[in-house]
Amino acid sequence: GDSVTQMEGPVTLSEEAFLTINCTYTATGYPSLFWYVQYPGEGLQLLLKATKADDKGSNKGFEATYRKETTSFHLEKGSVQVSDSAVYFCALSDTRGNTPLVFGKGTRLSVIA
Amino acid sequence: DSGVTQTPKHLITATGQRVTLRCSPRSGDLSVYWYQQSLDQGLQFLIQYYNGEERAKGNILERFSAQQFPDLHSELNLSSLELGDSALYFCASSGWMNTEAFFGQGTRLTVV
Repeated sequence: GDSVTQMEGPVTLSEEAFLTINCTYTATGYPSLFWYVQYPGEGLQLLLKATKADDKGSNKGFEATYRKETTSFHLEKGSVQVSDSAVYFCALSDTRGNTPLVFGKGTRLSVIA
Repeated sequence: DSGVTQTPKHLITATGQRVTLRCSPRSGDLSVYWYQQSLDQGLQFLIQYYNGEERAKGNILERFSAQQFPDLHSELNLSSLELGDSALYFCASSGWMNTEAFFGQGTRLTVV
């Protein structure tokens, strides 16, 4: 079945450091790919998405590019802030829509001032 | 605010008991999904309903059941609770042809 593998955390960075969280997937067909973020005590929020190969999703300074050849969707941010401390989940879904998301295990990011 | 509402936010109950978690999806969304989040298992998909009908089933225990009502709200029933059922339970919803889902704030269940 479909699966998502993302780098294990926790990841600890200093403010203004560069962030990369790796995510690779296994799926039949061409899934849509997502990054969700979970701030402490809250639910998951959609951070960005890409629905086809070479699409770049971006939001709040975060970016991820759908790479079909490497089945990857790595999350990057050029300069992290303390407020970015959260758990980040990579996920995929079938392009048909209305199908359950398959999540990676999550990566906890802590940014220190 | 995602538009998905879950109640209650917190629930503490004893082993062997039964609880009901409630979810109201975003206005117009026909699909409701239930996920369980525990520390060691990450996010596990439990079950999906679409317009009142069960559409997909994941790792849902036989002690758990769900339904979606005509007004599209959904309930997740957990019975014969065990200590290991302590977790965050999330509801999410999606609309027609949406590939992404929108999550509620979750219900934290503690079984003592």
